[in-house]
Amino acid sequence: SQQGEEDPQALSIQEGENATMNCSYKTSINNLQWYRQNSGRGLVHLILIRSNEREKHSGRLRVTLDTSKKSSSLLITASRAADTASYFCATDGRGSTLGRLYFGRGTQLTVWP
Amino acid sequence: DARVTQTPRHKVTEMGQEVTMRCQPILGHNTVFWYRQTMMQGLELLAYFRNRAPLDDSGMPKDRFSAEMPDATLATLKIQPSEPRDSAVYFCASGLYRDNNSPLHFGNGTRLTVT
Repeated sequence: SQQGEEDPQALSIQEGENATMNCSYKTSINNLQWYRQNSGRGLVHLILIRSNEREKHSGRLRVTLDTSKKSSSLLITASRAADTASYFCATDGRGSTLGRLYFGRGTQLTVWP
Repeated sequence: DARVTQTPRHKVTEMGQEVTMRCQPILGHNTVFWYRQTMMQGLELLAYFRNRAPLDDSGMPKDRFSAEMPDATLATLKIQPSEPRDSAVYFCASGLYRDNNSPLHFGNGTRLTVT
């Protein structure tokens, strides 16, 4: 399976703290994406990092990618209660021209006010 | 703000009944995906289409599930007959595939309960 696997499964922090979530995957990739899902809603794309990139920033989000270890991390700085959601990594497969994405099981982040 | 629209949002039905879920992808997107989400299995890819042609439906139980795109503005996922184990949230997602670096846009899902 090309699924990414997020770690930890659940994370509980206070507002203002940083939240770090990790993702490991099995096969080589063209890119890795992070998505967020609020309860009862669909997934929302957060950020995409290509296989030739090592780090990417978007607002309070910082994503790293280590293709040698087949792992990625998502850092949310200065977390807010509104960041409470599930976060998923998604990978395609290098050599895949089909554009399909495989998702992990997600990290449930709870940010307490 | 363009978005993927799924109907119905909720569906409760009895075992053996036919269920049809509909999806309106974002105008201009050429790829449509169907995913199923459960606590046990997470997000499973059921089927997807490019330019309305099915590319892969290997994730679907073929004997009861069928997915179609009658036109560019409508994708359907049908279950006949439905079973309790089909209870899940079904998501449609669309994207504009030009290279291998395209994000997906998800609908808010159809929550299916089969009793």
